[in-house]
Amino acid sequence: EPEVTQTPSHQVTQMGQEVILRCVPISNHLYFYWYRQILGQKVEFLVSFYNNEISEKSEIFDDQFSVERPDGSNFTLKIRSTKLEDSAMYFCASSWAINEKLFFGSGTQLSVL
Amino acid sequence: GESVGLHLPTLSVQEGDNSIINCAYSNSASDYFIWYKQESGKGPQFIIDIRSNMDKRQGQRVTVLLNKTVKHLSLQIAATQPGDSAVYFCAEINSGGGADGLTFGKGTHLIIQP
Repeated sequence: EPEVTQTPSHQVTQMGQEVILRCVPISNHLYFYWYRQILGQKVEFLVSFYNNEISEKSEIFDDQFSVERPDGSNFTLKIRSTKLEDSAMYFCASSWAINEKLFFGSGTQLSVL
Repeated sequence: GESVGLHLPTLSVQEGDNSIINCAYSNSASDYFIWYKQESGKGPQFIIDIRSNMDKRQGQRVTVLLNKTVKHLSLQIAATQPGDSAVYFCAEINSGGGADGLTFGKGTHLIIQP
């Protein structure tokens, strides 16, 4: 069964450093998303991406965040200068059409020290 | 603001019993609902979905009920097994809204007692 894959599974970084989280969405899906989940809290929307541009973004997705689809298979989330409060599990998701069910990856646990 | 929420944070049931997890939503424009299961250290896993033109949908051991009148959603799991222990989230989509995917509720932790 096709699945969304994310790398790395864990990322530890120093405050102020840049991190790139990587995702390979399901191959025939057209919409890509990043969500995050702070420990013990609900999953929060960050950004959606379609046709090589951002479709929607939340208030969390400020100027420190960016997304990119550098080739036909990868979808990345970059945090330019990490803060302690960026520590969370980051989930990539994809869907074949807008507002259809999302399939999630297993997440990248980001720890900012 | 409008949100999706869950009634109980933790639900404990005996193995083999049926469980019911409830969810209230307040956005009357939401017309598509999904239940996800999240095991520790993993991403949300799709369980079952339902659109607003239906009030019941069944899967394998799971049933979702939608009551649009009171804006209530429930997930019934029959004959629970140890592998059903997880956090369950309801999520909603307004199909006529933007491309911001899902709004998640806070989650109910289902514990299956042996």
